[in-house]
Amino acid sequence: SQQGEEDPQALSIQEGENATMNCSYKTSINNLQWYRQNSGRGLVHLILIRSNEREKHSGRLRVTLDTSKKSSSLLITASRAADTASYFCATAAWGSQGNLIFGKGTKLSVKP
Amino acid sequence: KAGVTQTPRYLIKTRGQQVTLSCSPISGHRSVSWYQQTPGQGLQFLFEYFSETQRNKGNFPGRFSGRQFSNSRSEMNVSTLELGDSALYLCASSLAVLRNTGELFFGEGSRLTVL
Repeated sequence: SQQGEEDPQALSIQEGENATMNCSYKTSINNLQWYRQNSGRGLVHLILIRSNEREKHSGRLRVTLDTSKKSSSLLITASRAADTASYFCATAAWGSQGNLIFGKGTKLSVKP
Repeated sequence: KAGVTQTPRYLIKTRGQQVTLSCSPISGHRSVSWYQQTPGQGLQFLFEYFSETQRNKGNFPGRFSGRQFSNSRSEMNVSTLELGDSALYLCASSLAVLRNTGELFFGEGSRLTVL
């Protein structure tokens, strides 16, 4: 079952613009992670934010977490064509046996 | 440090056959998870192994099974293949000891097509 739901499903922007993707989830979480997947390839971990954190930065990435709204956002600033990929949020629920539950992803297309 | 290695990368099978997929985790990682990815269902958790024991299992029929060896390498097997089993099968390893809730390192996947 999907815990996280990303929004929008697809996003098309021009190089240099910012891209914002959102993730909503249903149960209390231990942490929330974002992953990137280039077409047909494996997933690459981008960033992990714990339930007691509100914001985290990594290079051009900024992640926010609002546990009261059960939502997170991923902002990619000054996007590049190489950022074209699918982005997934994954949640680790409190009390779970330990597997990450992934959303269906946002497909980002950055046009040069 | 070598990444997660999955073999084979591509394979084609026919309905009713069985398939075995292999995964070698990053050296030192004792947890191996398997996910099935399809366009319709997205990424779905199959199972997780830690120190040769299945620690967690997703909601898949018994035709899907796995195992882990003493060197942490893992295999998953799908018997009596159905058309709906066509998917990208992803293996991920992690350093997790108590619970597998940290960063996962994924392989490139095995693309299975069932005809």
